[in-house]
Amino acid sequence: AAGVIQSPRHLIKEKRETATLKCYPIPRHDTVYWYQQGPGQDPQFLISFYEKMQSDKGSIPDRFSAQQFSDYHSELNMSSLELGDSALYFCASSKGLVYEQYFGPGTRLTVT
Amino acid sequence: KNQVEQSPQSLIILEGKNCTLQCNYTVSPFSNLRWYKQDTGRGPVSLTIMTFSENTKSNGRYTATLDADTKQSSLHITASQLSDSASYICVVRNDYKLSFGAGTTVTVRA
Repeated sequence: AAGVIQSPRHLIKEKRETATLKCYPIPRHDTVYWYQQGPGQDPQFLISFYEKMQSDKGSIPDRFSAQQFSDYHSELNMSSLELGDSALYFCASSKGLVYEQYFGPGTRLTVT
Repeated sequence: KNQVEQSPQSLIILEGKNCTLQCNYTVSPFSNLRWYKQDTGRGPVSLTIMTFSENTKSNGRYTATLDADTKQSSLHITASQLSDSASYICVVRNDYKLSFGAGTTVTVRA
């Protein structure tokens, strides 16, 4: 069965650069969630989209923005990167807001 | 304060042995509780899901229990294998929000 696809899987950026992470949900899933997981930490919810509209907002910094496109894929844009942004970013998708979230493999972002 | 507390933080067991992980939560109202296995650098993979009325659920060598009265859950791993080395995360759903535990890191040694 198709799973959540994230790209790239690994990304290395320098401080103050920008990065764009992409998430392709499972077919027919209309909801996407973004999470940030620092080393040794539990995942922190960043933001979610349902039917291309922002549905919930968590601890997403103002330097980050995200959107969901007409084909339901989502992109997380990160600007003015800081060393503390180094983390595993993974997205999850679901069919509606109340159904099970399926997680992608994550994007490992390293900021040097 | 985290609404989902897991213990122990980490444990090391020998291959073939059993172990039990604990999860206590204060999330309310409660929709369901999931145990996820997360390999290093990968996204979490669901092992079991339990709703309010379920006490025990198994998935192969993984058995989860839930006591909704005391708001406690456990994950029991039987006859551990080297591939069981991972972080195990307890996630409690409240409507459409998820609350994550910090995870228990399990290391299985030959």
